[in-house]
Amino acid sequence: DADVTQTPRNRITKTGKRIMLECSQTKGHDRMYWYRQDPGLGLRLIYYSFDVKDINKGEISDGYSVSRQAQAKFSLSLESAIPNQTALYFCATSEVAGLSTDTQYFGPGTRLTVL
Amino acid sequence: GQSLEQPSEVTAVEGAIVQINCTYQTSGFYGLSWYQQHDGGAPTFLSYNGLDGLEETGRFSSFLSRSDSYGYLLLQELQMKDSASYFCAACGDDKIIFGKGTRLHILP
Repeated sequence: DADVTQTPRNRITKTGKRIMLECSQTKGHDRMYWYRQDPGLGLRLIYYSFDVKDINKGEISDGYSVSRQAQAKFSLSLESAIPNQTALYFCATSEVAGLSTDTQYFGPGTRLTVL
Repeated sequence: GQSLEQPSEVTAVEGAIVQINCTYQTSGFYGLSWYQQHDGGAPTFLSYNGLDGLEETGRFSSFLSRSDSYGYLLLQELQMKDSASYFCAACGDDKIIFGKGTRLHILP
């Protein structure tokens, strides 16, 4: 079974709709992240969480919100979707041990289309 | 600000060697990572440099020079399956910043 799972894998929605993307992990990591990927722009950080009580904005948090329901679950919400939020969304986890690599383990991604 | 620069595309021949460069500007920098992403797939971790010098993992090597804010990924004995996008990522402060990625095209 995959260590980091995302649901749904694909979603088409309409402008103005609220949508939630979910992420679950079985790696036991404290840190979880949400990224979006657009062609030619790489991976941009939306939100990150170091534990259940710690939520931080990334570089492109406007229009998004998150919820860390448990160590293993981190959800991303678009309160009112707009077409320029059409992108590939990745959830990731990491485990930090001192000045470690902070290696990111990515889920399979959710392809979101906003019409 | 924080930024990473890497070439958008690189083309090489099967069996050859290719180097993908990355320059960075980021606060609280403590290491440079590299990730590989095949079309339709998720990024996967390749290597990490926390210290200056070369790190070797099989056909892949990665180099870091902190004084030059520069690193590179070296891929040897290229195979068609190495066709993918490669991202450098600067590990700093409390998060990682990714470059925009380099698309590696391999010719037979």
